[in-house]
Amino acid sequence: EIVMTQSPATLSVSPGERATLSCRASQSVSSNLAWYQQKPGQAPRLLIYGASTRATGIPARFSGSGSGTEFTLTISSLQSEDFAVYYCQQYNNWPLWTFGQGTKVEIK
Amino acid sequence: QVQLVESGGGLVKPGGSLRLSCAASGFTFSDYYMSWIRQAPGKGLEWVSYISSSGSTIYYADSVKGRFTISRDNAKNSLYLQMNSLRAEDTAVYYCARGKEMATIDAFDIWGQGTMVTVSS
Repeated sequence: EIVMTQSPATLSVSPGERATLSCRASQSVSSNLAWYQQKPGQAPRLLIYGASTRATGIPARFSGSGSGTEFTLTISSLQSEDFAVYYCQQYNNWPLWTFGQGTKVEIK
Repeated sequence: QVQLVESGGGLVKPGGSLRLSCAASGFTFSDYYMSWIRQAPGKGLEWVSYISSSGSTIYYADSVKGRFTISRDNAKNSLYLQMNSLRAEDTAVYYCARGKEMATIDAFDIWGQGTMVTVSS
């Protein structure tokens, strides 16, 4: 099983600032990496797939980068609606899809 | 619009059974693989089971293998999860989710709102 490790667990950011979230895979997942956003009481929403491609309707302030074992999700200028929990997920080693434990982005 | 709606959750005693359903609309259900993914209270996401578009290929996480059964009825645009021998650790919100691509394995682009399963005596 590929273990996905996200850091930090919690990120305190002021509105308008940049947020950088990290995700590390225990072995290479190539570019088969997705990011999801989840707000309280809601289902996860796909933000990024293929490590760097924004899903339909996702604002340009969200960007993803990386390949192999190291990945980054960057939110260039945090808006109030961006405070949420973010999960990375690998789909290289399917069907054993695995998720990171999540990074909570909170208001500073 | 493209939508998944789960139902069937509830409170069940340890050792009991429950059947979850997921109704799909707004897309050609039979073209897409589907999965069940769960989230224990206050915890992260855990993939549970996969079924191919035709239903011919099925996989389970080790944590549910032998106890859960995934199925689909493409004529009814519906996905199911039969859960037997339920344990306290199965307590979670269960989401159905659609694979983004028809021909290859990819991320999950459409998720239902989830249905809560509580296993407790």
